[in-house]
Amino acid sequence: QQPVQSPQAVILREGEDAVINCSSSKALYSVHWYRQKHGEAPVFLMILLKGGEQKGHDKISASFNEKKQQSSLYLTASQLSYSGTYFCGTGSTGSARQLTFGSGTQLTVLP
Amino acid sequence: KAGVTQTPRYLIKTRGQQVTLSCSPISGHRSVSWYQQTPGQGLQFLFEYFSETQRNKGNFPGRFSGRQFSNSRSEMNVSTLELGDSALYLCASRQGDYGYTFGSGTRLTVV
Repeated sequence: QQPVQSPQAVILREGEDAVINCSSSKALYSVHWYRQKHGEAPVFLMILLKGGEQKGHDKISASFNEKKQQSSLYLTASQLSYSGTYFCGTGSTGSARQLTFGSGTQLTVLP
Repeated sequence: KAGVTQTPRYLIKTRGQQVTLSCSPISGHRSVSWYQQTPGQGLQFLFEYFSETQRNKGNFPGRFSGRQFSNSRSEMNVSTLELGDSALYLCASRQGDYGYTFGSGTRLTVV
C-alpha cells in the first residue's frame, strides 16, 4: 500500500517555506525523500531510519514519527532550484529494501 | 565517481517482442534495484539484487525478470511486451543504509 503524500501540489515564492508530509499505514523501518525534475532521474535528499538516525544533505531537514508512521520534509527559504516533484519512499519492517513510493508532491517556486 | 549508467536511453519495441535493459551501478555498490515509472502508477518497485542474488521482487508478472553479474552490473528483461509496459525504467544503486542513486533511466515505448 502506497504512502499518502500531502499536499499534492504547492506554489511558493522564493524565500518562503514549505512542508511536505508522508503518511503510511505500515510499520516503517525507513523513509527516503527524493526530488525529481522534469525529464531527470530522482535525486536523493534524505533518509530517516527507525531509531532516529538521519543521513542526507545538510541543507535539508526532515522528521520521522515512528509511532504514527509519518514523515515530514521541511524546505526553508526556498530557491528556484527547489522546484520539482518530491517523492517519499517507505521501507517497511521486513521489507526495508523494497521502497514503496508516494504519488509525489509537485513544488513550484516562483521568483 | 561515475554515477549509475543505464543503456539504452530510449527504446521502441513492438508488442510481443522482448527487451533487455542494462545498468552499471556506482563502483563499490553491490545493491541494485529496478523501478518502473509511469504517469498513472508512479514509481513501482520491480526487484532488488545484492551480490548476484535477487533479494526482493515487486508485484509484477513473470514476464519481468532480472539478473546481476559478479561485477554488480545488472540487466532486466521483459518478454512478450505489452502496450502497458511503456514506461521509464529506472535503476538505482546504494551502499549500506544510505539513499539510492538513480540512473537516468531507459524510456521504453511499446507500439
